[in-house]
Amino acid sequence: GAVVSQHPSWVICKSGTSVKIECRSLDFQATTMFWYRQFPKQSLMLMATSNEGSKATYEQGVEKDKFLINHASLTLSTLTVTSAHPEDSSFYICSARDMVQGAGGYTFGSGTRLTVV
Amino acid sequence: AQSVSQHNHHVILSEAASLELGCNYSYGGTVNLFWYVQYPGQHLQLLLKYFSGDPLVKGIKGFEAEFIKSKFSFNLRKPSVQWSDTAEYFCAVNGRGGNKLVFGAGTILRVKS
Repeated sequence: GAVVSQHPSWVICKSGTSVKIECRSLDFQATTMFWYRQFPKQSLMLMATSNEGSKATYEQGVEKDKFLINHASLTLSTLTVTSAHPEDSSFYICSARDMVQGAGGYTFGSGTRLTVV
Repeated sequence: AQSVSQHNHHVILSEAASLELGCNYSYGGTVNLFWYVQYPGQHLQLLLKYFSGDPLVKGIKGFEAEFIKSKFSFNLRKPSVQWSDTAEYFCAVNGRGGNKLVFGAGTILRVKS
């Protein structure tokens, strides 16, 4: 079945530095990828929709200059948390949509635990 | 705007007990409905989905869910849970033809052996 690889699975960084998270669809092409943030004991909150070859669409309240998204190919999207601060510490999850599978074709990465110290 | 409500955040059951996890959604149009499971340390996996047709949907691992349009509900059920069903369960919805999945807050299920 469809597989999405997300890397790294966890990262610790110093406040003020930037961190890049990669999301790859391994055996299908994903014209659309999604980035979620999950707070403890809360739901997955959609941050942005990443479209191959075009700008990402950010949800209300998400700072696009802080959370940079690049979707340069049909199999790779990256999320860069710029000038990270402790409040950015969270669990970030990507999802890729396999349009061949139709409406149900969402596959999720295993997530990245970001800790900013 | 779409929203999804899951009634219980934590559920503890003994093995062989029956399970029902509630999910209600708010959306003004036709929807696709999903249940995902996240086992400890693993990624989200699709349990089952409803697009149209028979409102009783059967998924993997003995799970099923029933779409009741009049109640805007899509409750997940399993007649007899196993210890291995310990996980977090998420209900999700997207508008028909839409792209975005909206998730409920999740229900952590712990099955005691």
